[in-house]
Amino acid sequence: EAQVTQNPRYLITVTGKKLTVTCSQNMNHEYMSWYRQDPGLGLRQIYYSMNVEVTDKGDVPEGYKVSRKEKRNFPLILESPSPNQTSLYFCASSIRTGSMQAFFGQGTRLTVV
Amino acid sequence: AQSVTQLGSHVSVSEGALVLLRCNYSSSVPPYLFWYVQYPNQGLQLLLKYTTGATLVKGINGFEAEFKKSETSFHLTKPSAHMSDAAEYFCAVSEDGGTSYGKLTFGQGTILTVHP
Repeated sequence: EAQVTQNPRYLITVTGKKLTVTCSQNMNHEYMSWYRQDPGLGLRQIYYSMNVEVTDKGDVPEGYKVSRKEKRNFPLILESPSPNQTSLYFCASSIRTGSMQAFFGQGTRLTVV
Repeated sequence: AQSVTQLGSHVSVSEGALVLLRCNYSSSVPPYLFWYVQYPNQGLQLLLKYTTGATLVKGINGFEAEFKKSETSFHLTKPSAHMSDAAEYFCAVSEDGGTSYGKLTFGQGTILTVHP
């Protein structure tokens, strides 16, 4: 079954404690991205990757890091989380063209206290 | 730069009534347009998309949308609402080429409530 898998689904952490949210896809997609969803703002892109070892900033990259060492994995790293990073996070993957649909993970609800 | 505006953060309809969710976009090149639906505690699921060709696009669950270039709109409709349609709906635009290559830009979302 084609899918994007994120872990964990729910996470509560304290300010400043480094965390990683994992994302894996089994569709051999080149393009992967991370979004955060906040009420009234829709989804905003944090980082994206066009292929292995190729990553770039999206619209709201501050406070986040990513890596793409393998085609299937695209982890999101928060080196020093702050309360304003409390949000719902989605990983997505697609074939490398704008006309193709993106497949989304189930989401990770992060709370930073 | 591409952008999307969804008119109305909340829409409420009665079961059996017409559903109309509005979306306007801005794009510097011919756009690709999408509607995604998000059910509670789930990820986003594609409802339908417009790439090229026929401007009236049919999707899953009886939804359809019409691309109107002159109005820069891509409104989503369904003739008769069902209780199971209650969800949040997102309009999105994507482009090929330039700095927006492959990037999805989303609207703010519209929460659809269906009353019995």
